[in-house]
Amino acid sequence: KAGVTQTPRYLIKTRGQQVTLSCSPISGHRSVSWYQQTPGQGLQFLFEYFSETQRNKGNFPGRFSGRQFSNSRSEMNVSTLELGDSALYLCASSLEARGGPNEQFFGPGTRLTVL
Amino acid sequence: AQSVTQPDIHITVSEGASLELRCNYSYGATPYLFWYVQSPGQGLQLLLKYFSGDTLVQGIKGFEAEFKRSQSSFNLRKPSVHWSDAAEYFCAVGTYSGGGADGLTFGKGTHLIIQP
Repeated sequence: KAGVTQTPRYLIKTRGQQVTLSCSPISGHRSVSWYQQTPGQGLQFLFEYFSETQRNKGNFPGRFSGRQFSNSRSEMNVSTLELGDSALYLCASSLEARGGPNEQFFGPGTRLTVL
Repeated sequence: AQSVTQPDIHITVSEGASLELRCNYSYGATPYLFWYVQSPGQGLQLLLKYFSGDTLVQGIKGFEAEFKRSQSSFNLRKPSVHWSDAAEYFCAVGTYSGGGADGLTFGKGTHLIIQP
């Protein structure tokens, strides 16, 4: 099976712009989670989607949003970019079998640079 | 809320020597524990996980970890490291509320350097 794919791999934007990142989960995986990784704050959970619904959310401002499509692919959007949004954005998918936890499989990430 | 502490920011080990990376967690219920490895510019690769059962878990690349509830620890070990093991290692705790998996909480990571 192909792994989690993320596009684009690299992105450069300027302050005030918005950006959309895309994630395709492993085939058959229905849960998609997003994380932000920065040198200062480390890895932080953004949100998780399952069956096109946001099920869990981390502590990020409303400028960060996402959605999931019927084929489980997911996008995240950041509006009004700030310099501090420069980070590696990681997407992870999991099988989400009922009755217990599942391991998350991560994509290679999208490196966002805000100038 | 849960938290994860990795006390060692950097660790230097000679090639062929044994390795132990420390991880302590804080969580009120039974945690689900993970170790991930990240090479420069890459995503995270799962090394091993603990959900329940045997407290000594085996993972990929010759790694193992032991869950010690009394010490709230989940330390990662490898008997003999290879130069290719140089990377960033992250311990993480996950929770499951019945409504689905909550987001993973990660430690700050341990940067492993291998000396020839």
